[in-house]
Amino acid sequence: GAVVSQHPSRVICKSGTSVKIECRSLDFQATTMFWYRQFPKQSLMLMATSNEGSKATYEQGVEKDKFLINHASLTLSTLTVTSAHPEDSSFYICSATKGQDGSPLHFGNGTRLTVT
Amino acid sequence: SQQGEEDPQALSIQEGENATMNCSYKTSINNLQWYRQNSGRGLVHLILIRSNEREKHSGRLRVTLDTSKKSSSLLITASRAADTASYFCATGGSNTGKLIFGQGTTLQVKP
Repeated sequence: GAVVSQHPSRVICKSGTSVKIECRSLDFQATTMFWYRQFPKQSLMLMATSNEGSKATYEQGVEKDKFLINHASLTLSTLTVTSAHPEDSSFYICSATKGQDGSPLHFGNGTRLTVT
Repeated sequence: SQQGEEDPQALSIQEGENATMNCSYKTSINNLQWYRQNSGRGLVHLILIRSNEREKHSGRLRVTLDTSKKSSSLLITASRAADTASYFCATGGSNTGKLIFGQGTTLQVKP
């Protein structure tokens, strides 16, 4: 089956620093990747849609300068949380699709970010 | 914005019993999908049902879709302790692959 690898699984950083999270599709080319954020015991909130070779599309209320997304190849998308603050602490999950309408999403295992 | 609402929010049953979770949504959809999430992990796709389908089966899973009521249900039969997880419905309405997730149901299956 399709595999999506997300790295790191956990990261602790100090306030004001930036953190990069990588999402790789290991055995298929992902034309589109999605970044979600999940608070404890809550659902996934879509942050942005990342398309290979073009700018990401951000959901309403998500600061694009705060959450930088780069999708430089068909197998890699990165999310950089810039100038992180404690309120950015959350579980970030990426997913990838092969681009066909209705295709299931393949999820990474998530990144637990803690900003101290 | 989240469009799916699920009930119950939490469900606790004994091993061997059936578990039913419901999902309601607001806008028109192309398909509805169910996912499972173990604590602290990513989501795993369980089943997809298209808007022109009414019922679908996969192993111990049975999904129904009622587009007139904008609702879906997931039935897990003969539950096992390993089924303990959170279950989310997600709706897709465009050709972008974008999914919007419901609030989820936390299922606990007691051995």
